[in-house]
Amino acid sequence: GAVVSQHPSRVICKSGTSVKIECRSLDFQATTMFWYRQFPKQSLMLMATSNEGSKATYEQGVEKDKFLINHASLTLSTLTVTSAHPEDSSFYICSATNYENTEAFFGQGTRLTVV
Amino acid sequence: AQSVTQLGSHVSVSEGALVLLRCNYSSSVPPYLFWYVQYPNQGLQLLLKYTSAATLVKGINGFEAEFKKSETSFHLTKPSAHMSDAAEYFCAVSGGYNKLIFGAGTRLAVHP
Repeated sequence: GAVVSQHPSRVICKSGTSVKIECRSLDFQATTMFWYRQFPKQSLMLMATSNEGSKATYEQGVEKDKFLINHASLTLSTLTVTSAHPEDSSFYICSATNYENTEAFFGQGTRLTVV
Repeated sequence: AQSVTQLGSHVSVSEGALVLLRCNYSSSVPPYLFWYVQYPNQGLQLLLKYTSAATLVKGINGFEAEFKKSETSFHLTKPSAHMSDAAEYFCAVSGGYNKLIFGAGTRLAVHP
């Protein structure tokens, strides 16, 4: 399958600061990327869908001003958690796909801890 | 709209026993269905997927799943459990263009 790289794998930040997470498709062009959030011992919840060159579409209940998503190229999408608070601590996972694939390919995930 | 229900948040089996993880789906369109495995603090690994071809789908690590439209089910099975199969398993349905809707997950424990 195709390779999606997510960076960093772990990050610890202070409350009130912003954190950027990168999601890169290494060997294919990803027209669409998805961002998920997973709380401990829970399932993955879709946060937003980003299409290259367009504004992201956020799921209900997700604050778009807090979780800024940029998908400026066919190989890179970024999620910025702004003014992070401890309740934003979670596991964030991206996936990437395009029209040629019948599945989305997942990154390794980023463990965010806000202290 | 699509949704997935995984029956049983925890399943425990003995090493060598049959593994059966249950998944039922709801979809307003012909579904694409997936099973993923997740080990602690790691991302998702695709076990297998159904994309409207053969109803019996074989995946990696000896897992397989059967799509049953009449039962709206896509249960995951493995004839003989191995200790390394202990992990969290997620069933997912595609909500259109590879946007996945996940079930709550089933934690599989394997005992010697």
